[in-house]
Amino acid sequence: SQTIHQWPATLVQPVGSPLSLECTVEGTSNPNLYWYRQAAGRGLQLLFYSVGIGQISSEVPQNLSASRPQDRQFILSSKKLLLSDSGFYLCAYRGSPNEQFFGPGTRLTVL
Amino acid sequence: GNSVTQMEGPVTLSEEAFLTINCTYTATGYPSLFWYVQYPGEGLQLLLKATKADDKGSNKGFEATYRKETTSFHLEKGSVQVSDSAVYFCALSDKDTGRRALTFGSGTRLQVQP
Repeated sequence: SQTIHQWPATLVQPVGSPLSLECTVEGTSNPNLYWYRQAAGRGLQLLFYSVGIGQISSEVPQNLSASRPQDRQFILSSKKLLLSDSGFYLCAYRGSPNEQFFGPGTRLTVL
Repeated sequence: GNSVTQMEGPVTLSEEAFLTINCTYTATGYPSLFWYVQYPGEGLQLLLKATKADDKGSNKGFEATYRKETTSFHLEKGSVQVSDSAVYFCALSDKDTGRRALTFGSGTRLQVQP
């Protein structure tokens, strides 16, 4: 069966510091992978998606970047965090043929 | 572009009450439709889905019917429990072959009181 992991679970970072969030998937090959952000009290916004190693599509201009160095690894990064980067970050993979399955999320607070 | 509109919350009900959370969508073609549930501090879990018009998705006592004529996918449950307290998201999946991303509504918080 497929599982999806995210870490860290929570993170508190100062403004201007770098960021690296990791997502890994087990039990599936060449999945579509997604990063979403959920701001407090709001819905989910798609940030990035990837259809394969090294293939990243950005949905909105922002202070973040994504990379996919391995088939089942998806990383969200920033060189310098902004206050507005605070939120709940969710990684997901696409299952059959339209479903998406989400990881447990990372709660990021930028102070 | 695609969009999903949900009724604003919070929705507060007493245990065993009937639940309806309205969801309407705008999309080109015939998307797949989903309800996800988010319990406090957790990620999203797929609750139910429907892939074509008139399909009814159901799970854990929750139901939703894909209504093409009204572009709706309302979530219902006949008798809610305290454990159903969570945020519920309606979503659609676009048909773009490569992207297949989900477009979410803003979420509806449900609070069930004993």
